[in-house]
Amino acid sequence: DVKVTQSSRYLVKRTGEKVFLECVQDMDHENMFWYRQDPGLGLRLIYFSYDVKMKEKGDIPEGYSVSREKKERFSLILESASTNQTSMYLCASSLGRWDEQYFGPGTRLTVT
Amino acid sequence: GENVEQHPSTLSVQEGDSAVIKCTYSDSASNYFPWYKQELGKRPQLIIDIRSNVGEKKDQRIAVTLNKTAKHFSLHITETQPEDSAVYFCAASLSNFGNEKLTFGTGTRLTIIP
Repeated sequence: DVKVTQSSRYLVKRTGEKVFLECVQDMDHENMFWYRQDPGLGLRLIYFSYDVKMKEKGDIPEGYSVSREKKERFSLILESASTNQTSMYLCASSLGRWDEQYFGPGTRLTVT
Repeated sequence: GENVEQHPSTLSVQEGDSAVIKCTYSDSASNYFPWYKQELGKRPQLIIDIRSNVGEKKDQRIAVTLNKTAKHFSLHITETQPEDSAVYFCAASLSNFGNEKLTFGTGTRLTIIP
């Protein structure tokens, strides 16, 4: 059974802080993704990675960066958090590029 | 890039009736179309997907149809049950190497009325 975990369920940070969101999958999946989910906007792709140390920009990469040093771990970094980054962040992984994406439980980030 | 529009944003259906959710996409090269279901407070999960080489796919009470000419695809749920209440997301993806990512629709909140 695929398990995707995220480091925090809820997080409150102040404007300007550096924020790290971590995602770990235990099924040796090649592909990992970071989305943010906002009411009425659906799931929007921030960054994705098809291999260790590889990253590709999604649809809304501005203000974010990522790191994938190990196959099982994909980190999302907010260099200087802003209030408009308050959102639900979902990590996902998949075995192949067109396979099912398995999502983590999400991190609800509030930036004050 | 790809743009996916989803309608309606909310849908209420009497238990036992059918529900239909429609999506349109912009890039004619898209060839993979999954549907995800997200129950309240839970993570999205894949319920069915279709590739562009077929026009319809069924799995028990759920079916998806694809019209490549019109660039739209639909989710059909028959004999709806209370556990079908959730938010449903459609998505579309290209298979061109180096540009393989899912673009999601904005979601449909389906409520089954007992």
